[in-house]
Amino acid sequence: QVQLLQSGPGLVKPSQTLSLTCAISGYSVSGNSVTWNWIRQSPSRGLEWLGRTYYRSKWYNDYAVSVKSRITINPDTSKNQFSLQLNSVTPEDTAVYFCTRGFEIAARPEFDYWGQGTLVTVSS
Amino acid sequence: SYELTQPPSVSVSPGQTASITCSGDKLGDKYACWYQQKPGQSPVLVIYQNNKRPSGIPERFSGSNSGNTATLTISGTQAMDEADYFCQAWDRNTVYVFGTGTKVTVL
Repeated sequence: QVQLLQSGPGLVKPSQTLSLTCAISGYSVSGNSVTWNWIRQSPSRGLEWLGRTYYRSKWYNDYAVSVKSRITINPDTSKNQFSLQLNSVTPEDTAVYFCTRGFEIAARPEFDYWGQGTLVTVSS
Repeated sequence: SYELTQPPSVSVSPGQTASITCSGDKLGDKYACWYQQKPGQSPVLVIYQNNKRPSGIPERFSGSNSGNTATLTISGTQAMDEADYFCQAWDRNTVYVFGTGTKVTVL
């Protein structure tokens, strides 16, 4: 059974960096055919996909246009986890952040496993 | 950018059928999936590839997708089905797109 366990601070000051980690159990972060994603949810923006990382002989990343200049998603194979860094945050980045497992192909757009969610508030 | 539109709310009596729609341009040409989300919890996948149920999802959940509309149907709705439901699809430009969400109330 795949489980995703998120960790990271719930409060970040404006202009600073939001950092979250997602520890994976029951599957390898380097596994073929799957992707590892970050998604956020807020009342104003709904559910919003932020980006993903995946391994296909080498590591790849894809990011949403809305955050592309500020986001980094990195795998950590030694700890079987992946992380999110979002720079220069503003109060508009306040949301519940989820890590998820997905698939690379268009025929499988779904996310089948989700972390427990982390409410991140951007405030001074 | 690609958008998916859902009705804000649907009400249903226990034991009756609830239908939740998700509209998007030529959505029937894509694969749609559905999530259930209860307050304070993470979304749970209930339908993928238009009409497939993951292991552990009750048979009363079913899906279809044609034209511009995908539909999630809950047959014999139970009180435990009261939740928010979101559709989702993939678009080559917008990548992963989520619907606006529908609150299902079991009266």
